[in-house]
Order: sequence, then structure tokens, then C-alpha cells
Amino acid sequence: GAGVSQSPSNKVTEKGKDVELRCDPISGHTALYWYRQSLGQGLEFLIYFQGNSAPDKSGLPSDRFSAERTGGSVSTLTIQRTQQEDSAVYLCASSPHTTEAFFGQGTRLTVV
Amino acid sequence: TQLLEQSPQFLSIQEGENLTVYCNSSSVFSSLQWYRQEPGEGPVLLVTVVTGGEVKKLKRLTFQFGDARKDSSLHITAAQPGDTGLYLCAGAQGFNKFYFGSGTKLNVKP
Repeated sequence: GAGVSQSPSNKVTEKGKDVELRCDPISGHTALYWYRQSLGQGLEFLIYFQGNSAPDKSGLPSDRFSAERTGGSVSTLTIQRTQQEDSAVYLCASSPHTTEAFFGQGTRLTVV
Repeated sequence: TQLLEQSPQFLSIQEGENLTVYCNSSSVFSSLQWYRQEPGEGPVLLVTVVTGGEVKKLKRLTFQFGDARKDSSLHITAAQPGDTGLYLCAGAQGFNKFYFGSGTKLNVKP
């Protein structure tokens, strides 16, 4: 596709369940980011993948959060044993070898 | 703590007024970007500045990068309701890694 694609667009889950969020970056972009955004506020960095390098996981809030990027393309963010405070919009962005990030529309996660 | 601090956090003005949003840090960035985000959408890039002291204009928007490449400002002249949104600054350190500010939520009333 032409842009960054995220799925699902909305996800409602019960507290304690695991969820998987998917990101399809723009083809050829070597860098991929996951961010979390609460209530239209600023972006909270979660994790960063760059090519074949080890990912920068310094933003993951707890060990319930993990992410992988297969074949340098599609990425999955997994949240285990979801809590209500995990409710937020999860944004994925990809970047080429320039100083610009292209964002998907996000996945709105609601934990009830 | 945020690497980039934006101010103000919220701004509500009347159509036709001017405004300035600030993005400050104690760190040096190789480049700095400004994004605008509308409800239900991801942020969209407005501009990238890379040289200390650089000024870029995009219609009614003027962006400035500080001489020391630690801060930036966004000035909007004669704001319009279509300018309403969340404005985010982002700084790059090293190759491709971005740090985002906390955002400024702008509401322009007709």
C-alpha cells in the first residue's frame, strides 16, 4: 500500500486478555516505531526497530509489552494480561533514510 | 521526563489571531520536525529544519530552528479554524531516531 497500515483500527478487550496489534510499514522503510498516545496528548515512545540492529526497547512500560518485526517489514506489538491503564491509541510509524516519519492511523485499544 | 518540552499545552484563540508554539530542550538535535495531528488520524509532517538558525515558511506558518539546534518555534499568522489540531515537535538524534514533544492542542474558534 501507499502508506503505513495498522490493524485493527479499534480493539476492545477484557482486562487480563492478551492483544496483538499489527503494523505494515511503507515498503523499503528501514526504521519502524511504536508509540502510545493517551487522550490526544503527546506521543510516548515504546520501541524502535532499525534494519537488522537490535531493537531499542527502552520505552516499553513493562514486561507485559513486547514487539517483533519479521523480515524487516511487518511488526506486531503484543500486550499480555491487559490492564485498564493500557487503554490508549497505539501508533506505528516508519521512516526511510531521511528525517521524516510516516504514521499509520493508529489502533484504539480499550480495556474493559 | 520529556526530552522535548512544548508550550503552551493548550491554546484557544479566535480566527484571525496570531500565535506561537515553542519546543525546547537541553539537548542538541540533528534535525527537528513539526507535525500536525487531527482527531482519529496519525500525525502528518509539516516541515523539517536541519540548520541552526534556519527559518522555513509554509503559507501562514513560519518555523524556526534555534541557533544551537536545541529549540524551535512555530508561528501561525491569522489563524483559521482549519488550523485546529494537535501540533507536535520531534527531534532526531543520530540516524533516524525521533523524540516527540508532549504536544500543543490548538483550537481556533470561528
